Amino acid sequence: AQKITQTQPGMFVQEKEAVTLDCTYDTSDPSYGLFWYKQPSSGEMIFLIYQGSYDQQNATEGRYSLNFQKARKSANLVISASQLGDSAMYFCAMRLNEKLTFGTGTRLTIIP
Amino acid sequence: DVKVTQSSRYLVKRTGEKVFLECVQDMDHENMFWYRQDPGLGLRLIYFSYDVKMKEKGDIPEGYSVSREKKERFSLILESASTNQTSMYLCASSLAGAFPSPLHFGNGTRLTVT
Repeated sequence: AQKITQTQPGMFVQEKEAVTLDCTYDTSDPSYGLFWYKQPSSGEMIFLIYQGSYDQQNATEGRYSLNFQKARKSANLVISASQLGDSAMYFCAMRLNEKLTFGTGTRLTIIP
Repeated sequence: DVKVTQSSRYLVKRTGEKVFLECVQDMDHENMFWYRQDPGLGLRLIYFSYDVKMKEKGDIPEGYSVSREKKERFSLILESASTNQTSMYLCASSLAGAFPSPLHFGNGTRLTVT
C-alpha cells in the first residue's frame, strides 16, 4: 500500500529564513507523482509544486523547490526567503494511477 | 480557472439522519474525489470516481456511499450519520491520464453530527 509520511507536526521559522518541510513516501510502483499543497487558515487547498518519478531535475516554482531524492524516497519542500503569508498547513501527497494519498501535514508558522 | 463548488459550507445534522454532500465541477474533469480532513490525520480518501457511474473505494469508505450520475457532479452520502463522521469534507477533481494533473479542491463542507 502506498504511504506518505510527514514527521514534523509543526515548525516555527524566522521571517526571511529558508525552511525545509520533510516528506517521505513508500511505493514499489516505478511511476508516480509527488505534490505539495498549502492550506492557509481560510481552508482552501492551494497546489504549489509537482515532481514526477521520472523527472531528472528537481521541480521549482518561484520560491518553492522540491528536493527529490528518489533512492531515499524523499520529496522535501524548500521555501526560500520565508514570508509571513507562508504561515499555513502544508501537505505532501503522492499520486499512483488516478489516486492521490496525503500525508498528515506540517503546520508552518513564520515569526516576524 | 477550474471551479469546484460544494453546496454547503457548514452543515449540522442529527445522528441517524441521511446526509447528502454535493459537489460540482465546471472543467469537464474525469476524476472526482471525496476526502475528509481531521486534525492530526491529514486528508483521507473516502471514495473516488474516474467516470460517470464508476466509483472506487478509498481508504475509509465505511459508512459512506457515493453517486455520480453526471460527469460534473459527485455526491457523498452518509446513509445514517454518526457523531464520528463530524469532520471537514473536501471534494476535488482532476484530469485523467498519466501526465501531471493536480487536484482542484472545493472550499470544503464542515459537517457536525449531534
